[in-house]
Amino acid sequence: DVKVTQSSRYLVKRTGEKVFLECVQDMDHENMFWYRQDPGLGLRLIYFSYDVKMKEKGDIPEGYSVSREKKERFSLILESASTNQTSMYLCASSLYGGSNEQFFGPGTRLTVL
Amino acid sequence: AQSVAQPEDQVNVAEGNPLTVKCTYSVSGNPYLFWYVQYPNRGLQFLLKYITGDNLVKGSYGFEAEFNKSQTSFHLKKPSALVSDSALYFCAVRDMNTDKLIFGTGTRLQVFP
Repeated sequence: DVKVTQSSRYLVKRTGEKVFLECVQDMDHENMFWYRQDPGLGLRLIYFSYDVKMKEKGDIPEGYSVSREKKERFSLILESASTNQTSMYLCASSLYGGSNEQFFGPGTRLTVL
Repeated sequence: AQSVAQPEDQVNVAEGNPLTVKCTYSVSGNPYLFWYVQYPNRGLQFLLKYITGDNLVKGSYGFEAEFNKSQTSFHLKKPSALVSDSALYFCAVRDMNTDKLIFGTGTRLQVFP
C-alpha cells in the first residue's frame, strides 16, 4: 500500500514564525502536491512537483514556498506565518501521468495565533 | 476554463436507501474524473475513476459512478447506504495540460439510521 506521511497532525504557531510542513511518500512517485483545505472552498493547490528540485506554482502560492531535495520528500514552507494561513494542509503523491490517482496523507491542521 | 461543480453542500439519506452525490464538469477534450472520500480528521481516500471505456465505473466500498458525456456529469451512487458512509465526498477532474486535479467544493453525505 502507498503510504504518505506528514510530520505533524496538529501544529500551533505564532504570527511571523517560519513553519515547515514535511511530507514523505514511500512508493517512488514522481509527482507530489501540497493543498490547503478550507470549509466551503474544497481543496486548493498550493504547489506541486514533478521531479526532484522541480516545482510549479498552483492556484494559491502566495506566502508559501516548497523544497524537494529528494524524490520521496516534499516540504512546504511558510516563510512568515499569518493568521489567514490557519487551515488543514494535505500532501499527496502520484505516479506521473494524468490517469493515475493521487494518494493523500492524513493532513496537518495548522493554527496560527 | 476547466472546472468541476458539486451543486449540493449536503445530502441526507436514510440507511438502506440508494444515494446519489452529484458532480458536473467542464473541460475541453476527454475528461479524467475522480471521486474521493474524506472521513473526519483524515486525509482523502480514492474511491474510483473514469478514464475511458465503460460509462459505469465501480469502486471501493460498493460505490459506483456513471459518466454521462452529453450531460457532462459524473454522479456517485450506491444502491444501499450505510451509516458508515457518512463523510465528505469530493469530485475532481484532471487538468488537461498537467497531472493536477481540480477539486469540487465537496458534498457532505449524512446517512441516518
